[in-house]
Amino acid sequence: QKEVEQNSGPLSVPEGAIASLNCTYSDRGSQSFFWYRQYSGKSPELIMSIYSNGDKEDGRFTAQLNKASQYVSLLIRDSQPSDSATYLCAASSPMRFGAGTRLTVKP
Amino acid sequence: DTGVSQNPRHKITKRGQNVTFRCDPISEHNRLYWYRQTLGQGPEFLTYFQNEAQLEKSRLLSDRFSAERPKGSFSTLEIQRTEQGDSAMYLCASSSTGVATGELFFGEGSRLTVL
Repeated sequence: QKEVEQNSGPLSVPEGAIASLNCTYSDRGSQSFFWYRQYSGKSPELIMSIYSNGDKEDGRFTAQLNKASQYVSLLIRDSQPSDSATYLCAASSPMRFGAGTRLTVKP
Repeated sequence: DTGVSQNPRHKITKRGQNVTFRCDPISEHNRLYWYRQTLGQGPEFLTYFQNEAQLEKSRLLSDRFSAERPKGSFSTLEIQRTEQGDSAMYLCASSSTGVATGELFFGEGSRLTVL
């Protein structure tokens, strides 16, 4: 079993829609969780971090954490074509990544 | 702040040769990580350092791989007797153990091609 699992996608949504990305993790000792975005040919960059159960909002992005279910999610509201990328879920520490979900936002 | 720097950016080698990659982290960061990434996969954890101490190494990592961070600044990753399966992007990242713990800052990577 992989330490961090993501619904591998790919995921395609129309511009302006909500994109929902999901992730589960196996190590109950993990305390910190992250979503990274990776554009094709580029390195990952941090979008959100979340440490406590519940929701955390930052602009169009909302991260949700449920430690009892070992589940992390990312919602992207009002999706834009520029959001098209691979989204990586990660759990710490040290940081382990899922395989990523490729998101395409169609104009 | 010049960010995380990795060299070389590309390396093509023949099977059986040794290769070494270098990573210069962000200067105030005390943690340094190495990951390997292949097409369609997320970064795979290899090893990490806090200052000069290597704190963890992936159990899946072959003993052909070795990493050092001798003075707690730059790090090197050496792959001995390369195999075609070693072809990948090798990513270095750094972080601090300060308030905003956990965020990794990645370099642009070193792409290895083993012929």
